Amino acid sequence: KQEVTQIPAALSVPEGENLVLNCSFTDSAIYNLQWFRQDPGKGLTSLLLIQSSQREQTSGRLNASLDKSSGRSTLYIAASQPGDSATYLCASPRDTGRRALTFGSGTRLQVQP
Amino acid sequence: EPEVTQTPSHQVTQMGQEVILRCVPISNHLYFYWYRQILGQKVEFLVSFYNNEISEKSEIFDDQFSVERPDGSNFTLKIRSTKLEDSAMYFCASSEVRGGNTIYFGEGSWLTVV
Repeated sequence: KQEVTQIPAALSVPEGENLVLNCSFTDSAIYNLQWFRQDPGKGLTSLLLIQSSQREQTSGRLNASLDKSSGRSTLYIAASQPGDSATYLCASPRDTGRRALTFGSGTRLQVQP
Repeated sequence: EPEVTQTPSHQVTQMGQEVILRCVPISNHLYFYWYRQILGQKVEFLVSFYNNEISEKSEIFDDQFSVERPDGSNFTLKIRSTKLEDSAMYFCASSEVRGGNTIYFGEGSWLTVV
């Protein structure tokens, strides 16, 4: 069964910095990996989905990479803004061939003006 | 942009009561899910539903829980005889049939059991 971990649990950066959020997974036969954003008390907003055949995906200032051999994915945020402050979650299917996701515990990001 | 909608946004219920949480998935999606997040903890999978039947469920989804698609648009989660530990945010989600597609989540329903 896939297990997902995220380090650090919290991160505080000044506005304008480029930053990297980390996600580790245990099963290298990963099917895909999805990054989400969660604002306090709110739902999950999908940011990026990387298929197992891809190495990276980009959307605006966000870039997500996937390295199956090392069991890692990173979410790169360029030129961070206070509006990027939120919790960022990564998730992957729990089992091969299944759709249900297992989530990391998230990284809480604070971008200071 | 299409979205998953959930009602109610917040419900307070007495321990032992039954609760029904409702969801309207994205219209062309055929896979539906329920997840929950206890305050301060990870998002946890409960159940997935496809073609009018449960396709996958977690160890959390015991006989206390049930899901239903009562009509062409709604998807519900029923929790019987609620317990204090059922207090959580419950998220509905949906995705297309094709494998590997993005799963879209609703804003959640806060359930408080007192």
